[in-house]
Amino acid sequence: DIQMTQSPSSLSASVGDRVTITCRASQSISSYLNWYQQKPGKAPKLLIYAASSLQSGVPSRFSGSGSGTDFTLTISSLQPEDFATYYCQQSYSTPSPFTFGPGTKVDIK
Amino acid sequence: QITLKESGPTLVKPTQTLTLTCTFSGFSLSTSGVGVGWIRQPPGKALEWLALIYWDDDKRYSPSLKSRLTITKDTSKNQVVLTMTNMDPVDTATYYCAHGGYVEMATTKWAFDYWGQGTLVTVSS
Repeated sequence: DIQMTQSPSSLSASVGDRVTITCRASQSISSYLNWYQQKPGKAPKLLIYAASSLQSGVPSRFSGSGSGTDFTLTISSLQPEDFATYYCQQSYSTPSPFTFGPGTKVDIK
Repeated sequence: QITLKESGPTLVKPTQTLTLTCTFSGFSLSTSGVGVGWIRQPPGKALEWLALIYWDDDKRYSPSLKSRLTITKDTSKNQVVLTMTNMDPVDTATYYCAHGGYVEMATTKWAFDYWGQGTLVTVSS
């Protein structure tokens, strides 16, 4: 099975900061990679699909990049509503095609 | 607009079978390229994908839980049902259902783009 890792597991940042979160797959997954945002007590929200495509309605300060095994989610200027946990998810492999990463919590410095 | 809502027991005893229902609106599960999945999240922990049923009734399960899971759909009722047998306290989690689909033409790239609010299931005697 493909394993997903994320780094860092948590980070503290200030409003206006540029934030970068990394996701790594244990083998190549091409660009079969999605990013989700989850706020406490809420369901996850799709931010980025296919590694770099912005989901409709998601602010343009969010961007994704990468292919193969290494991927990045970038928030260009952190806003108060962006404090949340971010998960990557692969949709490449069978029989377990939807593995999530362990998450990265972004909180206020 | 697309909405999904999970329903089922909030408390189950160890060894019992859990049955959860996802009732949705705004789409048809007979439409090509569409599916409904189940994902769970133990308190304070990460998301874990459980199962997915496609429009054509194809099904996928998490390998680690496959022997305990069954997913079915009732297209006429706009419902998807997940059963999980032999429940254990470690299965205590919020269970989400989610609408998914192919996100890029001519590929099998898939994403879950609409989620239910989730339902907390506690396993305890």
